[in-house]
Amino acid sequence: EIVLTQSPGTLSLSPGERATLSCRASQTISSSYLAWYQQKPGQAPRLLIYGASSRATGIPDRFSGSGSGTDFTLTIRRLDPEDFAVYFCQQYDSSPQRYTFGQGTKLEIK
Amino acid sequence: QVHLVQSGAEVKNPGASVKVSCKASGFNFRSYVVHWVRQAPGQRLEWMGWINGGNGNTKYSQKFQGRVTITRDTSARTGYMELSSLTSEDTAVYYCAMPSGTGITGTEFDYWGQGTLVTVPS
Repeated sequence: EIVLTQSPGTLSLSPGERATLSCRASQTISSSYLAWYQQKPGQAPRLLIYGASSRATGIPDRFSGSGSGTDFTLTIRRLDPEDFAVYFCQQYDSSPQRYTFGQGTKLEIK
Repeated sequence: QVHLVQSGAEVKNPGASVKVSCKASGFNFRSYVVHWVRQAPGQRLEWMGWINGGNGNTKYSQKFQGRVTITRDTSARTGYMELSSLTSEDTAVYYCAMPSGTGITGTEFDYWGQGTLVTVPS
């Protein structure tokens, strides 16, 4: 089973700064099958990025995704106060079919 | 506009079963696959399984196979997830979620219910 490891566990930044979040897979995965979510307290996750780099509907262009193979990155340029939340990566396996998530990175206000 | 509205919080004794519902609106329920994902305190999100709203086919995560049953009532536009033999480790928020494409299981989840907290005291 592929394991996703996110780093750092907590990232402390100020509004206006740039955030770089990492997601590392225990083995090579297809870029088509890597997604990122944002979750705020008491809310369901919200899809931000799919296919490693495509923004979901309605997601501001300050969010971008990149990477391939085992290393993927979510970048948020010019942090807005509403961006402080927990971020998860997620990957899809087709054989056998399953969906797995990273443990999350908490982005907090410095 | 897609809406998934889940049933309210539950408290269950160890060994009992819980059944969580997910009512859909804003789309043709029969055309989509509904997944269930849970989030235990301090744990990563876990995918539990899916059901095809049209033909009722299901697939379950190996971890929950034998203990989870996912069903749907097309006339009520509602999906259900039943988990049996509950232990304190099943205390979690349970979500229904869907991909945006019709008739596919999808590779990510575009739409989510609001979540249902299930508490199993130890």
